[in-house]
Amino acid sequence: GESVGLHLPTLSVQEGDNSIINCAYSNSASDYFIWYKQESGKGPQFIIDIRSNMDKRQGQRVTVLLNKTVKHLSLQIAATQPGDSAVYFCAENIRSSRSNAGGTSYGKLTFGQGTILTVHP
Amino acid sequence: DGGITQSPKYLFRKEGQNVTLSCEQNLNHDAMYWYRQDPGQGLRLIYYSQIVNDFQKGDIAEGYSVSREKKESFPLTVTSAQKNPTAFYLCASSTRSGGRSYEQYFGPGTRLTVT
Repeated sequence: GESVGLHLPTLSVQEGDNSIINCAYSNSASDYFIWYKQESGKGPQFIIDIRSNMDKRQGQRVTVLLNKTVKHLSLQIAATQPGDSAVYFCAENIRSSRSNAGGTSYGKLTFGQGTILTVHP
Repeated sequence: DGGITQSPKYLFRKEGQNVTLSCEQNLNHDAMYWYRQDPGQGLRLIYYSQIVNDFQKGDIAEGYSVSREKKESFPLTVTSAQKNPTAFYLCASSTRSGGRSYEQYFGPGTRLTVT
């Protein structure tokens, strides 16, 4: 899982195994969470999101679980493939107190430190 | 083909020089963001803008400046006051329309090296 240390947590799995990546978030008022995947030298890409009124959401080969009681988020990847190797970040939306002139608030994502997933063929 | 572009991909500067990183989006998004990423670490927010001609400091704004004169552009200037400017810089944008209200779309990043 993610930590506040200087070194990213790592997870190594065999191709075909299921992977579980964990994230502890900080703000109990966060209302929206996203998982991003970042390949080396590239920008993060959206994987899946979940609102705080849900505890589970499924996508293609991925499932996100949210436990608000302990402020914990997890990403499950089924049948992990070598192409899944990347750094995975969770992000929480902390609603901004400041809105624009139209009264729309975009919030502000706070990112976790990330977990390195390595998939061995 | 919509998206966010950042240029250049790699940038080298001498210490003491200001440098401006470009970020352009054609997604018609209102909000734009700048993040800094250091090796082995997550993303830290530098500045963000929710609308043209308005922007707010993020968590690590010292030594940086931005402008938002056009909806599609949000350039970041790394000034000589930034003590440790070498990093990977990511620009993002977001919109409130659609189901994924707070999703941020990221550009490919600019790797800045200052020597």
